[in-house]
Amino acid sequence: AQSVSQHNHHVILSEAASLELGCNYSYGGTVNLFWYVQYPGQHLQLLLKYFSGDPLVKGIKGFEAEFIKSKFSFNLRKPSVQWSDTAEYFCAVNGGSGNTGKLIFGQGTTLQVKP
Amino acid sequence: EPEVTQTPSHQVTQMGQEVILRCVPISNHLYFYWYRQILGQKVEFLVSFYNNEISEKSEIFDDQFSVERPDGSNFTLKIRSTKLEDSAMYFCASSTWTGREQYFGPGTRLTVT
Repeated sequence: AQSVSQHNHHVILSEAASLELGCNYSYGGTVNLFWYVQYPGQHLQLLLKYFSGDPLVKGIKGFEAEFIKSKFSFNLRKPSVQWSDTAEYFCAVNGGSGNTGKLIFGQGTTLQVKP
Repeated sequence: EPEVTQTPSHQVTQMGQEVILRCVPISNHLYFYWYRQILGQKVEFLVSFYNNEISEKSEIFDDQFSVERPDGSNFTLKIRSTKLEDSAMYFCASSTWTGREQYFGPGTRLTVT
């Protein structure tokens, strides 16, 4: 069955700490991978995306993610978090033959950054 | 920057009533989607829509649900007879192509009493 798993449900960091949020997926065929962020009171916004090519992708606000096909993973990283990064982060995947765009989401990770 | 918009932001309805949630996708997008998120749970896919047809629907999207693109700009989700378990945040999204990134609206919080 298609699924996405995010290992960390709630992460608390101090400002300037490094961040890594895990994401693993179970999906047949070619995948497209996404990280979305939802700031408090706002809608889901795209952080970064992977379709093909360089497995290390860079997104907005200093975030990056690495696609490791052998591990079915797409972990999100940021070297130094800021208080403004406090938000909920969602990993999502679609793809396969006959792709209709349907996104499968992970359960989300709440990141709290302490000033 | 173009945005997906949704109305209303919050809808309260009684069980058994019909509700219509409205979305205006980004104007040059061709693919439209509805998702929902029950409080504390994952964002779940409901339906994808292209060329005035449903491309895929989930098990959640039963006969009580329907979607429509009544004109060139709006995309609606109708729930014919709401149930308590339909209470959730409903998100509309659009994309230029399947597999491309989807842009999400702010959501409609539906509360069924």
